[in-house]
Amino acid sequence: GENVEQHPSTLSVQEGDSAVIKCTYSDSASNYFPWYKQELGKGPQLIIDIRSNVGEKKDQRIAVTLNKTAKHFSLHITETQPEDSAVYFCAAIRFGNENLTFGTGTRLTIIP
Amino acid sequence: GAVVSQHPSRVICKSGTSVKIECRSLDFQATTMFWYRQFPKQSLMLMATSNEGSKATYEQGVEKDKFLINHASLTLSTLTVTSAHPEDSSFYICSARDSGQGARPLHFGNGTRLTVT
Repeated sequence: GENVEQHPSTLSVQEGDSAVIKCTYSDSASNYFPWYKQELGKGPQLIIDIRSNVGEKKDQRIAVTLNKTAKHFSLHITETQPEDSAVYFCAAIRFGNENLTFGTGTRLTIIP
Repeated sequence: GAVVSQHPSRVICKSGTSVKIECRSLDFQATTMFWYRQFPKQSLMLMATSNEGSKATYEQGVEKDKFLINHASLTLSTLTVTSAHPEDSSFYICSARDSGQGARPLHFGNGTRLTVT
């Protein structure tokens, strides 16, 4: 089955700086990679996703890059703000399968 | 955007009682919903896949008689924790995918904090 590794487990970034979270996956057939943000006491919220036919996707301050050859994808948050503080999860899935495989999560803290 | 509503958000019950958690897709139909359990500072652990009109599929190690799942309609799945014990205390989260949406993003409810005393 799929195995997703996520690094780092914790990340502290000065407000205004950029944050990068990296994930690797094992199943080369995976073709959809969402990122979720989970605030304390809440469920994960989808913030951006990317399909395997695209190398990069951007939405305002958030971007995701995908390297299919190396089987890794990354989340980039620029101009970080205090409200970006949360736990971020990457995930991978192959269309046709039903279950997402999640990474272990990254606790991001933005220092004012 | 797609919204998944989960209720209750928080419940405290006594040991031995049963608790029902509801998961609703508000603006889309979901033939499949998922139930997760999350321990503090850990990732989501898939418990079971809820299939509309048929039996749920449970992950290895999850007791189907303890965690009863019913998916009676395209917009509602319920998880009942039967004869709850303190070790069942956890954060339970449901998710659903729009059956008609090709990109198939998964949307989550806001979770239910269960405390068994």
